Amino acid sequence: GAGVSQSPSNKVTEKGKDVELRCDPISGHTALYWYRQSLGQGLEFLIYFQGNSAPDKSGLPSDRFSAERTGGSVSTLTIQRTQQEDSAVYLCASSLAVAGGQKQYFGPGTRLTVT
Amino acid sequence: TQLLEQSPQFLSIQEGENLTVYCNSSSVFSSLQWYRQEPGEGPVLLVTVVTGGEVKKLKRLTFQFGDARKDSSLHITAAQTGDTGLYLCAGRDMRFGAGTRLTVKP
Repeated sequence: GAGVSQSPSNKVTEKGKDVELRCDPISGHTALYWYRQSLGQGLEFLIYFQGNSAPDKSGLPSDRFSAERTGGSVSTLTIQRTQQEDSAVYLCASSLAVAGGQKQYFGPGTRLTVT
Repeated sequence: TQLLEQSPQFLSIQEGENLTVYCNSSSVFSSLQWYRQEPGEGPVLLVTVVTGGEVKKLKRLTFQFGDARKDSSLHITAAQTGDTGLYLCAGRDMRFGAGTRLTVKP
């Protein structure tokens, strides 16, 4: 079956522009996560959606970052007024319901370059 | 939020050698997961450990969960070049450690 997909795979944007990154989770997965990975680094948690609950936004680095998840499926991560330090790979993952400890399935990521 | 420390940060070894990497926390894990990430791809789950003292084996990989559930180790026997990658641990809250970047040279 289809895995987690992300688009675009690569995005180059000018400093100050807004970008939208999309994540299509595995069908039926109610939990969805966004992470950021800078070159050679580990995964930095950004935001977590679980069903209809309020998202856990505790990892968002600034108010320029926001995310939404429509209909409990597709999610969009928006970065406003991009800065060069936003350059990174943005990874999305989904998992089955409820509590943590479930297996996360990752997408291939979107590589964002801010020039 | 549970903070995870992984060590070493980098490890470069020859094919055939053994190695161990570590994941530690100051607080108790209710469960812990190990992932491997290859360049250009997302992480892939290797194992989930839940019980203190638990040992799980996956071919040449041996995962141990500390008795107190505050630490875990991953031991690779006779490393192969295909083991090269970033090894990450994550707690139940799905926050990750910074990872150990392993390079296995032929």
